Order: sequence, then C-alpha cells, then structure tokens
Amino acid sequence: NAGVTQTPKFQVLKTGQSMTLQCAQDMNHEYMSWYRQDPGMGLRLIHYSVGAGITDQGEVPNGYNVSRSTTEDFPLRLLSAAPSQTSVYFCASSYSMMGGDSYEQYFGPGTRLTVT
Amino acid sequence: KNQVEQSPQSLIILEGKNCTLQCNYTVSPFSNLRWYKQDTGRGPVSLTIMTFSENTKSNGRYTATLDADTKQSSLHITASQLSDSASYICVVSPMDSSYKLIFGSGTRLLVRP
Repeated sequence: NAGVTQTPKFQVLKTGQSMTLQCAQDMNHEYMSWYRQDPGMGLRLIHYSVGAGITDQGEVPNGYNVSRSTTEDFPLRLLSAAPSQTSVYFCASSYSMMGGDSYEQYFGPGTRLTVT
Repeated sequence: KNQVEQSPQSLIILEGKNCTLQCNYTVSPFSNLRWYKQDTGRGPVSLTIMTFSENTKSNGRYTATLDADTKQSSLHITASQLSDSASYICVVSPMDSSYKLIFGSGTRLLVRP
C-alpha cells in the first residue's frame, strides 16, 4: 500500500492564482480530511469528507473548495491564493471517525505552499 | 472553547534518558485522545489512541496515560534515542463532533548524544 499520497510536495504561487492540491489513498478509507499547519499552532481542519459525494467544512474553510467524487481522491482547491494561505497542508484518511470509534488516522507527507 | 494545551513547548534531553510530555485539555465529553509523532518535514504518525475509559496505552518505548478527571494526559518516553527527536502532538476527539479533531501545538523534543 502507498498509504496517503500528496502532490505536489512544494508549490509557489502568486497572489490571485488558483491551484489544486492532490490527495489520494489506497486503503479504502471513508473519512478523508485536509489540514493546514502553521508555525506555533496546532493543525487546523479545513474540510473533511465522510464518503464519496459528502463533504463538510472544518474550522478554517474560507478560500478553499473540495470535492469527493471517488473514495480514493480528495483534492483541495485554492480559488484565489492569498499570502495568508502560505502554510503546510496535510491530507489524512481514516476508516472511520464516528463518535466512539478509535481508528488510526494516516497522514500524507504534506505540501509546502508559499504565496507571494 | 475546546482547547488542547501542551507543555513544555520544547525540551532537550540526553540520549538514554527518560522524559515526560504533558497535555491538558478542556474538551468534554470526548471520544478519544491521541498522541502523534511528527518528524521534521513529514506528516504526523500515530503513536497511541486511548478512549475516554482507558488509563494507559503503550507502544514500545512510548507510554501514554490519561486522567479524565483532571483532563490531563502524558506521554512518557523511555530510554530515549536520537530518532526520538521530533514534535509530539496531543489530539482530542470531541464526542459531539468526532470528525473535528482538536490538535495541540506540540512539544518539540531534541535528543542529544
């Protein structure tokens, strides 16, 4: 199993540009999520999905879109990049995250994004 | 507001020594509490997951404890190795919004030879 894969590893954007961060998992996990990690702060949830066709907002969703057309893929779209979106982005997946479940959550290697 | 606070922010220890990292949380009720290890430039990797009813969970040289009454957890590392140098993150899953994990900002551990 490749686990959770993310592309690209690094990206530099100019303000106002758009792009898509790719995330894929091969573990047949229903739950997938996107986080951003900023210095001195804990990971913050951007969007999550509990299955194909189902997405919802996390703590910091503004400026980002997601879709989940397949179980395997969960891309994150930046609509119009801003310097405040400079961060490290992590995708994660888990078999289930329902209340009472304690399944392990697997993280991808991250995408380091700089917006100038 | 649900919060997870970790201490210390950073820690330096000598190889072979033990250390304990602390996590205080206000999330209540909660479903489970997790500890992750994050190497520099990599994604977090799960070390332990404890449900609200568990008191301790081990993974090799890593032992996590949980006191739900005082809302505290600790991660004890025994006989530290250079490869233990990393950030350690405490994460709590709220019972009423289990999809929305709450992450602490982590403790950065450096193990020196």
